Amino acid sequence: GENVEQHPSTLSVQEGDSAVIKCTYSDSASNYFPWYKQELGKRPQLIIDIRSNVGEKKDQRIAVTLNKTAKHFSLHITETQPEDSAVYFCAASTNTGGFKTIFGAGTRLFVKA
Amino acid sequence: SAVISQKPSRDICQRGTSLTIQCQVDSQVTMMFWYRQQPGQSLTLIATANQGSEATYESGFVIDKFPISRPNLTFSTLTVSNMSPEDSSIYLCSVRRGTSVEQYFGPGTRLTVT
Repeated sequence: GENVEQHPSTLSVQEGDSAVIKCTYSDSASNYFPWYKQELGKRPQLIIDIRSNVGEKKDQRIAVTLNKTAKHFSLHITETQPEDSAVYFCAASTNTGGFKTIFGAGTRLFVKA
Repeated sequence: SAVISQKPSRDICQRGTSLTIQCQVDSQVTMMFWYRQQPGQSLTLIATANQGSEATYESGFVIDKFPISRPNLTFSTLTVSNMSPEDSSIYLCSVRRGTSVEQYFGPGTRLTVT
C-alpha cells in the first residue's frame, strides 16, 4: 500500500544551525506534499506545502524541495531557534479516486540554545 | 484556515463503554476526516466522514467500532465503541475546504480507557 518514510526520527541541532528532514513516498499519484509542526500537547499545524508541479518553495526560514522522479521531498529549516523544537510530519496526498493523505512517522527536532 | 473545535477535549472512560466525540467547524467544508494519534506516534486516518452518506473507512477500521455521523457540512461525530485500553489515544478531526488541498486539524480529544 501507500507509504511515506521519514528520516531522521530524532534530530538535535545547535541554535542557529540548519535542520533537514527527508521523506520518501511510494504512490506515484501523489501530487501534494504538506509539512506539519506539532508542539507538545497541541494540534498539528500546517507550516508549508508544495505541489507536484513545483520543485522548491520557500517561506522565510523554511523551505521545501521536491524531486518527483526520485519520489523524495525535504524540509529545510535555517537559523534554527529554540521555538522550532517540535515534532515535524511530512505527508503525501493524492486527489484521484478520493482525497487521501498519508503521514510520515515524524521527526522530533530539538534545538539547543 | 478554518476554526475547528472538538468536544470533549479529554475523557477517562471505563472499558466496555462508548464515547462520542464531536467536531464543529465555523464554516462549511467539503471534506471531514477522523484521525487517531497514539502516544508518540504519527497520524493514522480512521475514515472520511461523508455528508449524508456512510463514512469511508480505512483498512483496519470498521463501522461497528467507530461509527461516524456527518449530518451537515459543519459537524461530524466519531463514536469509539466498546472501548478497551488499546483505544487510548488522541482522536483528531480534520477538514478540507472547497477545492483547496490544505488540510487543517482540530485540537484533538485525548481519550484514556481504564
